[in-house]
Amino acid sequence: KAGVTQTPRYLIKTRGQQVTLSCSPISGHRSVSWYQQTPGQGLQFLFEYFSETQRNKGNFPGRFSGRQFSNSRSEMNVSTLELGDSALYLCASSLGSGEQFFGPGTRLTVL
Amino acid sequence: QQQVKQSPQSLIVQKGGISIINCAYENTAFDYFPWYQQFPGKGPALLIAIRPDVSEKKEGRFTISFNKSAKQFSLHIMDSQPGDSATYFCAASMRTTGTASKLTFGTGTRLQVTL
Repeated sequence: KAGVTQTPRYLIKTRGQQVTLSCSPISGHRSVSWYQQTPGQGLQFLFEYFSETQRNKGNFPGRFSGRQFSNSRSEMNVSTLELGDSALYLCASSLGSGEQFFGPGTRLTVL
Repeated sequence: QQQVKQSPQSLIVQKGGISIINCAYENTAFDYFPWYQQFPGKGPALLIAIRPDVSEKKEGRFTISFNKSAKQFSLHIMDSQPGDSATYFCAASMRTTGTASKLTFGTGTRLQVTL
């Protein structure tokens, strides 16, 4: 089975811009979760989508949003980028009951 | 109450030795405790996981020990190898409240295995 894929792998944006990241889960997995990883804050949960519905949400501002399509692929959007949004954004997929498998991440740099 | 505290921050172990990483949690509603291994430039990879109804789980050279009363769990890597050099994260989540996929992570331990 192919693993979780994320595109693009690297992104450079400037403050104020918006960005969209994409995640394709493992075939058959209906849950997709997003995490932000930074040296200062570590790994933090952003949100989870299950069957096209947001099921859980972390403590991030409304500038961070996401969606899931009928084929379980998910996108994450960050609007009005700030310098502090520079991070590795990780997507994880699961069948929905616990075990999560992470993708390689998208490295976002905000200048 | 959602915190998971992990120690040590970094660890140096000789090849063949035992690496031990500890985690403590506060929220007694947590009922799923995975460990992840992350190499530079890669996403975290699930190593091994345990549920609170068992006190120990072993998979190859990796063992999780779980102490429910102390709210602590640890990862033991037996016969540590240079290829084990990576950052290790403990995590916790709750299955029963529909938040199984909301992992709360520890701060990570950078393990270096020397020759």
